[in-house]
Amino acid sequence: AQSVTQLDSHVSVSEGTPVLLRCNYSSSYSPSLFWYVQHPNKGLQLLLKYTSAATLVKGINGFEAEFKKSETSFHLTKPSAHMSDAAEYFCVVSDRGNYQLIWGAGTKLIIKP
Amino acid sequence: KAGVTQTPRYLIKTRGQQVTLSCSPISGHRSVSWYQQTPGQGLQFLFEYFSETQRNKGNFPGRFSGRQFSNSRSEMNVSTLELGDSALYLCASSLDGDWADTQYFGPGTRLTVL
Repeated sequence: AQSVTQLDSHVSVSEGTPVLLRCNYSSSYSPSLFWYVQHPNKGLQLLLKYTSAATLVKGINGFEAEFKKSETSFHLTKPSAHMSDAAEYFCVVSDRGNYQLIWGAGTKLIIKP
Repeated sequence: KAGVTQTPRYLIKTRGQQVTLSCSPISGHRSVSWYQQTPGQGLQFLFEYFSETQRNKGNFPGRFSGRQFSNSRSEMNVSTLELGDSALYLCASSLDGDWADTQYFGPGTRLTVL
């Protein structure tokens, strides 16, 4: 069965410094993996997705993630944090054949001025 | 293209009542999924519909039900409301719910049960 573990419930960084949000997954198949972002009182927005093409995936707002099969990881990074990046981020794996997404518990990203 | 719309945006009900939430997917999308989001449990999958058929269901009691219409619009119903049903209910649509599909989310319906 598929599962997703987001290793940090909260990450705090200073504006202008790099961001790293960690995600490990387990999957019996070649998975599809997604990162979604949820700003306070806003809906969920897709940041990026991996579907067995290039292992380094670029998303919106300068975010990218690298699929590492040997480490079963899909960490999200950004070179330089901006105040507007403060939000909750969800790592998601798609359960092939089961028509549902499996969600991580979320990581709250805090940006210090 | 218009995004996923959900109505109503906010609802206040009392225990024991029932409620119906509505979701209109993006035009051309045939798969609709429903999720419950709470601070303690995060996002939990309720069910997924495609072409008016429920293809998958999460671990929720039978008080939670849904349906999909021929135009892909979907409704979910919660009967005999409990305090613990207070949550943000999110609807997402995708082209056909395939494992590689992107799901697009609506703004949610905030349900408060008193």
